[in-house]
This record gives sequence, structure tokens and C-alpha cells, in this order.
Amino acid sequence: GQSLEQPSEVTAVEGAIVQINCTYQTSGFYGLSWYQQHDGGAPTFLSYNALDGLEETGRFSSFLSRSDSYGYLLLQELQMKDSASYFCAVRDPDSNYQLIWGAGTKLIIKP
Amino acid sequence: EAQVTQNPRYLITVTGKKLTVTCSQNMNHEYMSWYRQDPGLGLRQIYYSMNVEVTDKGDVPEGYKVSRKEKRNFPLILESPSPNQTSLYFCASSLDRSTADTQYFGPGTRLTVL
Repeated sequence: GQSLEQPSEVTAVEGAIVQINCTYQTSGFYGLSWYQQHDGGAPTFLSYNALDGLEETGRFSSFLSRSDSYGYLLLQELQMKDSASYFCAVRDPDSNYQLIWGAGTKLIIKP
Repeated sequence: EAQVTQNPRYLITVTGKKLTVTCSQNMNHEYMSWYRQDPGLGLRQIYYSMNVEVTDKGDVPEGYKVSRKEKRNFPLILESPSPNQTSLYFCASSLDRSTADTQYFGPGTRLTVL
């Protein structure tokens, strides 16, 4: 079957760095996306990796290793506003281009 | 402002009473999708549409209907709601199916079926 696995919860301290991992098992693969969702809010797109390597966007970076079916989201200089759930998602051409979603990682930031 | 809108935002209804949740986008997107979100289960796709008059089932389509008569609108219909359809619903859109990695979400509709 198709699945994405990510930790259910991660705790970090304000100002620190945190990494949220995602491993995927899908029949096809176009790329790995990351979304952020604050409590009570809608998911918002953060980043997308189609090729191996690191993509940086400000304090957030995303990494992909296609050979390992693995990616991560790296958040630096954590701020309290980064407290949210983070979802990884894979677009699968073998499933008519649908996005397959992980269950989400709740990031708890302590002062 | 580019956006996806949903209405209503909150709805409490009773079993069996037909309801429609509207979704509209102003970005001229071809691809639109409906998701439901339940605690611990992430986002599960209900239906999606790749263009006008083209719709297809997602992972959890049972009990739902959709239509896509115009490019901007993609309503979700529950003909006979049941308590197990109590959930948070999101509509989303992207430019087309090749850009479905980058979806824009509506604010969500919290539905309670008693």
C-alpha cells in the first residue's frame, strides 16, 4: 500500500533547530511537499522537493533523498509562532496525481 | 485577493438532512479537491476534479457527491449525512493536476451531524 510516516509529535525549545522526518512508500513519485497547519486553520504550502538535496526558504529548509524514500523539514531559529502541525505529502502519478498525505507532526515549542 | 472560500464555516445538522458545502476559487485553477480531516488521520481526499465536468473519487468518497459545472465552483453534497461524517472539511485548488503539490486551501468547514 501507499503510506507516509512521520512522527506524531516533536518538542523543541524556542530559538533551537528542529528536524521533522518523513518516509514514504508509494508506487510512484513526483515530489515531496510540506504543509503547515496551525490549530483551527487551513493547511498552507511550505515547500516542495522533486530532486535530491536541500531547498532553503528563509528559516525553513526541506531535504529529499529519493533513493532512501526519505525527506525532512528543518526549522531553524524556532519561534513560538512555529507551533503547528506539519504534514508531508507525495504526489503519486500512479494514483492519478493525487496528493498522498502523512498523518502530521505536531510541533510543540517551549519558551 | 487570490483565495478559496467555503461556506458555511460551521454547521450542525441532523442525520439524514441533505446539505451542501460550497467552495469557490478566484484563481482560474483547473484542479479542485475536497478533503476531510479527522484527529490522527491527517487529510483524506474525498473527491477531486481536474476540470469542468471532470470529477473522480478520492480515498473516502462514500456518502458524498460533487459537481463541477463551472471552473470556479466545486460544491460538496451530503445527500443523507450520518454521524460518521462529522469532521473538518477543506476545499483546495491548484493551477492544474501537474501542480497538485502546491494546493491552496479554503478556511475549512466544521460539520457536526447529530
